[in-house]
Amino acid sequence: DAGITQSPRHKVTETGTPVTLRCHQTENHRYMYWYRQDPGHGLRLIHYSYGVKDTDKGEVSDGYSVSRSKTEDFLLTLESATSSQTSVYFCAISDRGFNEQFFGPGTRLTVL
Amino acid sequence: AQSVTQLGSHVSVSEGALVLLRCNYSSSVPPYLFWYVQYPNQGLQLLLKYTTGATLVKGINGFEAEFKKSETSFHLTKPSAHMSDAAEYFCAVSASTGTASKLTFGTGTRLQVTL
Repeated sequence: DAGITQSPRHKVTETGTPVTLRCHQTENHRYMYWYRQDPGHGLRLIHYSYGVKDTDKGEVSDGYSVSRSKTEDFLLTLESATSSQTSVYFCAISDRGFNEQFFGPGTRLTVL
Repeated sequence: AQSVTQLGSHVSVSEGALVLLRCNYSSSVPPYLFWYVQYPNQGLQLLLKYTTGATLVKGINGFEAEFKKSETSFHLTKPSAHMSDAAEYFCAVSASTGTASKLTFGTGTRLQVTL
């Protein structure tokens, strides 16, 4: 299995609080991605990174920000969590363009 | 823009029966295509992928898929279903935009296997 960990694995928070999710990889892959998974929507891309300090928006980026200060870590921040951000969040990595992505175990976030 | 359509959000088969999960894609460039499987409370695991070359692709756990350009399809099959195949399956197409590749996923098909 690809070396990808996500922390925390479960989190319950209240509306309006900031939340940071961490993705850590040991594969030295260039590309990292954050998705959210919701019933009936499949996986939707939030943000992605194509190198240290190089990031871009995905299709559902509103309310989220990301940072990547080193190759192995990609952080997803919800500046002020809302109930609509209750979801399962997955991190993925890839070594180069067009290639398959490898997924982490996910973080289940509940915003009350 | 790339897109993927998975026909049937739920598919039920008997153990030992053929599994057929349908996927159609839209792409303005030659696509790379993927099937992933997700077991409950787990991340997605790659089943198989098509990049170039042979259009019949074999994957793990006895699954295979055939790329048909004329039909813009990449259906997933397995000759004989096993109870352990019960999971959610996602088809995805890769899109390269700028400096990064991105996958576009279908909405998934949940496979139920009955005795």
